[in-house]
This record gives sequence, C-alpha cells and structure tokens, in this order.
Amino acid sequence: GENVEQHPSTLSVQEGDSAVIKCTYSDSASNYFPWYKQELGKGPQLIIDIRSNVGEKKDQRIAVTLNKTAKHFSLHITETQPEDSAVYFCAADPSGNTPLVFGKGTRLSVIA
Amino acid sequence: GAVVSQHPSRVICKSGTSVKIECRSLDFQATTMFWYRQFPKQSLMLMATSNEGSKATYEQGVEKDKFLINHASLTLSTLTVTSAHPEDSSFYICSARRMTGGRMNTEAFFGQGTRLTVV
Repeated sequence: GENVEQHPSTLSVQEGDSAVIKCTYSDSASNYFPWYKQELGKGPQLIIDIRSNVGEKKDQRIAVTLNKTAKHFSLHITETQPEDSAVYFCAADPSGNTPLVFGKGTRLSVIA
Repeated sequence: GAVVSQHPSRVICKSGTSVKIECRSLDFQATTMFWYRQFPKQSLMLMATSNEGSKATYEQGVEKDKFLINHASLTLSTLTVTSAHPEDSSFYICSARRMTGGRMNTEAFFGQGTRLTVV
C-alpha cells in the first residue's frame, strides 16, 4: 500500500524566514496531495492541496510543489509568522476511494 | 470550505462507562466518514471507515466491539467507546470527504476532535 514519509519531524525558523517541509510517497497511482495544519487541541485544517496534473500551486504565503517522477511533494511557507507555529501533515490519496495516508507530521516553531 | 462538526470537544468519564462521539457534515453529504485516534505528538491513526447504511470497516488491531460505529444518515456518524478504560484516553478525530462523480477524489475535512479522558 501507499507509504508517506515526511521530513523534518521538527523545524525551527526565525520570523520572516521561509520554511520547507518535504514528503515522499511510494504509490505512483496517488494523484491527490493535501497539506494540513494542526494546532494544539484541534483537528487538522486543510491549508492547501495539489493534484497530479499540476506541478505547483500557490496561495498567498503558502505554496506546494509536486514532482511525480520523483514521487515527492513539498510545502513552502514564506515570510513565516508566529501564528504559523503548528504541526503540519502531508497526505497522499492512493485511489480516491480509500482513506488518505498521512505522514508523521512536522512540528514547526516560528521564533519571534 | 466544507464544515465537519464533532461533539463533544472534551469528555471525562468513569472507567467502565460508555461514551458517544458525534460527527456531522454540515453542508455536504458524506456517504463515508473516517475515525482517527491521535496519541500525543504523533500522527493520525486510522481506526475505521464508516459507511452509511452498512457496517464499518475496521483497521487491523482495532476492536469493533470496543469502538462501535454507526453511520445512520448521510450527515452523521457516531463512535461509541464501550466500557471505557484509562488506556482508551486519547484524542479522537473524525473526517469526511465529499463525493464527486461517485469518487472521493476531493478534499477531506476534519472535525475539531474529542479529548477523551477515562478516570
């Protein structure tokens, strides 16, 4: 089945700097890749997603890139702010009719 | 975006009692919902897939008699933790995906989570 690896597990950046989180997946049939932000004590919130027919997608300070050949996708956050501090999860959708497969998460700390 | 509402957000119960958690899709119909359990500082662990009008599909190692799932309507799934024990204390989260053309190839939305503490 699908396996998603996420790195790094923790990331600390200075406010205003960029943060990059990387994920790899194993199933070439996966075609949908969302990213979630989870704040302490809350459920994950979808922040951006990308489908396999697109190589890059951007939404203000957040961007996601996808390399289907290499089977990896990345989350880029620019001009980080303290409120970006949270745990971020990547996920892959193996078929559209099965649950998402999640990475283990990255704890991002933005230091003011 | 779509909204998934989960209730209660926090519950404390005595050992041996049962607790019901509700998950509702507020603005779309969800024929399938998912229940997850999350331990501190860990990722989401899928417990079961809840199917409207039929039996839930449980992941390996999850006791179906312990974690009862009912998906009676297109907008409501419930998880009942039966005869709860302290080791069942955890953060439980539900998720629902919209159907598009018969496939769930769309966004998955999560509830707010339920913090269960068994004393």
